[in-house]
Amino acid sequence: DQQVKQNSPSLSVQEGRISILNCDYTNSMFDYFLWYKKYPAEGPTFLISISSIKDKNEDGRFTVFLNKSAKHLSLHIVPSQPGDSAVYFCAASANSGTYKYIFGTGTRLKVLA
Amino acid sequence: NAGVTQTPKFQVLKTGQSMTLQCAQDMNHNSMYWYRQDPGMGLRLIYYSASEGTTDKGEVPNGYNVSRLNKREFSLRLESAAPSQTSVYFCASSEMAGFNSPLHFGNGTRLTVT
Repeated sequence: DQQVKQNSPSLSVQEGRISILNCDYTNSMFDYFLWYKKYPAEGPTFLISISSIKDKNEDGRFTVFLNKSAKHLSLHIVPSQPGDSAVYFCAASANSGTYKYIFGTGTRLKVLA
Repeated sequence: NAGVTQTPKFQVLKTGQSMTLQCAQDMNHNSMYWYRQDPGMGLRLIYYSASEGTTDKGEVPNGYNVSRLNKREFSLRLESAAPSQTSVYFCASSEMAGFNSPLHFGNGTRLTVT
C-alpha cells in the first residue's frame, strides 16, 4: 500500500516557466513533508520541507504548498532552469516515534532550454 | 566536508555470496538509515538506527542485517545475496530521528546479484 504517491512519472516544462510537482498521501498521521532532488549517479539532495502546522513554505525559487484536508502537497519551481532537470521525490513522516520517512516513487522533471 | 560516505560504489555478487556495505558520516548526526531504490518503487527503508546502540527494522528488512558500529558508522550486511537484492543502496543520516530533521544521503552503492 503506497502511502505517498507521485502520480506523474515525468513532466516537461519550458525554461523560465513554472514547474508544479504533485504528491498525495494517505496517512493522516503524517505531519512533516520533504522534497528531494536527485541527479543520476548521486544521492538525493534535500530541497525544502514543511510542517503540518503550515500551509506554505518558500525558499528562493522553491515553494511547497500543503493542503491537509486534501492530503496533497505540491512543489512549485519558478522560474524553472535547465539545471532543475532531475528526479524529484516527496517524502513524509509522522513524529509519533516511528522515525520513518516514507518516499514517493519520484517525478522526472525535464526543463527545456 | 564529506557528509555521508558509502563504500563501495559498485559491486557484483553471485547468488549466495555475502558482503557488507559501509557507511560513515562526519556531521555528528545521531540517526542513520539504509534505503534501497528500485525502478518504479521509490526509496524504501531497510533498517535505521535512531541513536548509537539501537537499530530497528524498516519496510523491507528481510535478507539484511545492520550494525551501528559507533556514532559515525552504520553498516548493512547481506548474508546470502539473492537476485532480488539487485538495487541501488543509499545510506542517510539525520541530526535526530523524527523531530523534523531532514535526511542527508550518500551517493549510493549499485549492487548487482547474478
